[in-house]
Formats: sequence, structure tokens, C-alpha cells
Amino acid sequence: SQTIHQWPATLVQPVGSPLSLECTVEGTSNPNLYWYRQAAGRGLQLLFYSVGIGQISSEVPQNLSASRPQDRQFILSSKKLLLSDSGFYLCAWRRQGPEAFFGQGTRLTVV
Amino acid sequence: LAKTTQPISMDSYEGQEVNITCSHNNIATNDYITWYQQFPSQGPRFIIQGYKTKVTNEVASLFIPADRKSSTLSLPRVSLSDTAVYYCLVGEWMDSSYKLIFGSGTRLLVRP
Repeated sequence: SQTIHQWPATLVQPVGSPLSLECTVEGTSNPNLYWYRQAAGRGLQLLFYSVGIGQISSEVPQNLSASRPQDRQFILSSKKLLLSDSGFYLCAWRRQGPEAFFGQGTRLTVV
Repeated sequence: LAKTTQPISMDSYEGQEVNITCSHNNIATNDYITWYQQFPSQGPRFIIQGYKTKVTNEVASLFIPADRKSSTLSLPRVSLSDTAVYYCLVGEWMDSSYKLIFGSGTRLLVRP
């Protein structure tokens, strides 16, 4: 069966520090991968999505970047965090059809 | 992708049927309609999808009129555990680059 791993669950980082969130998928190949951010009480904002290794599409200009070094690995990064980067970050995968599967999320607090 | 419009919030009581309507006036011919449920501090979970008429599964029903400009998610006999945010998505999910864009969702509160 397919599983998605996302870590860490919570993270507190100072302003200006770097960020690296990792997401890995098991049990499938060539998935579509997504990164979302959700501010408190708000909807999900699509940040990046990828249809294959090295193929990244950015939805929103921001202080973040994404990479897909392997088929089932998706990384969200920042060189210098801003206070506005705080939020709940979710990784998701989709293979075929409309059903996407989400990780448990990372709650990032920038202080 | 077609934009969707949903009510911001809805209240209901345990045991009632809840209907959440989503408007998608610009839906394209190849677009499907998908609904997700999200609990606090969790990722969304797929509920149901459809193209036209009515679809039913063990969790919900989805009603889509002939013009497909709207859809209604029906939750039968809700319980307290159905309190969540419900999202309506529209898109051509058969496309390998389907962006899966969520709107603001409908916050459903089920009261005892």
C-alpha cells in the first residue's frame, strides 16, 4: 500500500534561518507531488507541484523553493525564513484520478 | 481550472441531513467535481467525485445538475464527528499536471 511521510511534525525557527521540509512517498511510482501551506483558519494555498523528477511548477512567488531530486521525494526549502512563512505545510501525492493523499503536515512557527 | 464558490460556514444538528452547494459557473467539458474533508491539523481527505447526475458512496452523495454549473454534497444524518471543513474542487484530473487547487471551503459545525 502507498504511504506518505512528512517530517518534522512541528518546527520553530528564528527569522532569517534556513528551512528544509522533506516529503517521501512509498508504494507508488511517478506520482504528482504537491506542497501546500495553510494559515490559521484559512484554506490551502498551493505552493508547488511536480509531475516528475526535476520538474517543479511554482504557483505563488515567495520566499520558498522546491526540489524533486528523486521520483518519490519532494523537498521544500527556504534560505531565509520570514515571519509570514509561518503556517501548516502539507505535502500530497496523486497518481491517477482525483484522489490525492496528504501527509500529516508540519506546523512551522517562525519567531 | 474553474473557480468554485461555496458558503463560508454552515451549522447543523446531529442526525440531520446536510447539503453543501458549490458553484462552478465556468466548468469545462472535461472537468470533474471533487469534494474533500479536512479536520483541524490534518490534511484533507477525499470524499467523493463525479461528472454528472448523482454519485453515492458509503460516506456521501453528490448531486450534479444537467448544466454542471453547480454541485451539492449531501451528508446523511450527520454526527459531531462530521464537523470539519469541506472543499469543492473542479478540474480535469485526467491531466497529468492537474494542479489540485483548493478554494476557501465550507466550515460545517454539527451541534448536539
